[in-house]
Amino acid sequence: DTGVSQDPRHKITKRGQNVTFRCDPISEHNRLYWYRQTLGQGPEFLTYFQNEAQLEKSRLLSDRFSAERPKGSFSTLEIQRTEQGDSAMYLCASSLDGASTDTQYFGPGTRLTVL
Amino acid sequence: GNSVTQMEGPVTLSEEAFLTINCTYTATGYPSLFWYVQYPGEGLQLLLKATKADDKGSNKGFEATYRKETTSFHLEKGSVQVSDSAVYFCALIKAAGNKLTFGGGTRVLVKP
Repeated sequence: DTGVSQDPRHKITKRGQNVTFRCDPISEHNRLYWYRQTLGQGPEFLTYFQNEAQLEKSRLLSDRFSAERPKGSFSTLEIQRTEQGDSAMYLCASSLDGASTDTQYFGPGTRLTVL
Repeated sequence: GNSVTQMEGPVTLSEEAFLTINCTYTATGYPSLFWYVQYPGEGLQLLLKATKADDKGSNKGFEATYRKETTSFHLEKGSVQVSDSAVYFCALIKAAGNKLTFGGGTRVLVKP
């Protein structure tokens, strides 16, 4: 059994560049979530998918952010024209529809540093 | 909106000491409550959960009881080990399929 995986684990980029992160959920999970965690804080919700449909987006997700889950399996999160304030850990989680408590399982995260 | 407040750290303890991390929440209805743990260099792991009032979640010697009357979900462990050194996050979810709302995290350092 493989858990949630994320790639890359670390990304250093220069301000203004575009970056893309990938998340592979647990194979039978149909829900996929993205969160952002800044240093010393708890994770904050960004967006979530049920299968390929993006059902909710946080106001934290500016127009420079876009997320996709084209076939209802893996997901990508793209940040365009990165800013220093985008530096954070980006976490992906997945869960299975139908479970009454909907426990979310997290990946190791992608740490983004914008110089 | 929903919110979770937990005690600020760091909490520094000696091995075999008793640990309590306070967590209170604000939410309408009956959320499910969670404790997640983040060990150094690792991702968030679910530690325990409770889905209704008076439920007790437990795992690895940790316990937390869902108290509706005080809107609390305090985490306790009777005898901590050095390996329990980590950051602990309290969180709630309003309904299945919804987003988690996290507290700010409490760093715990257990010294031998």
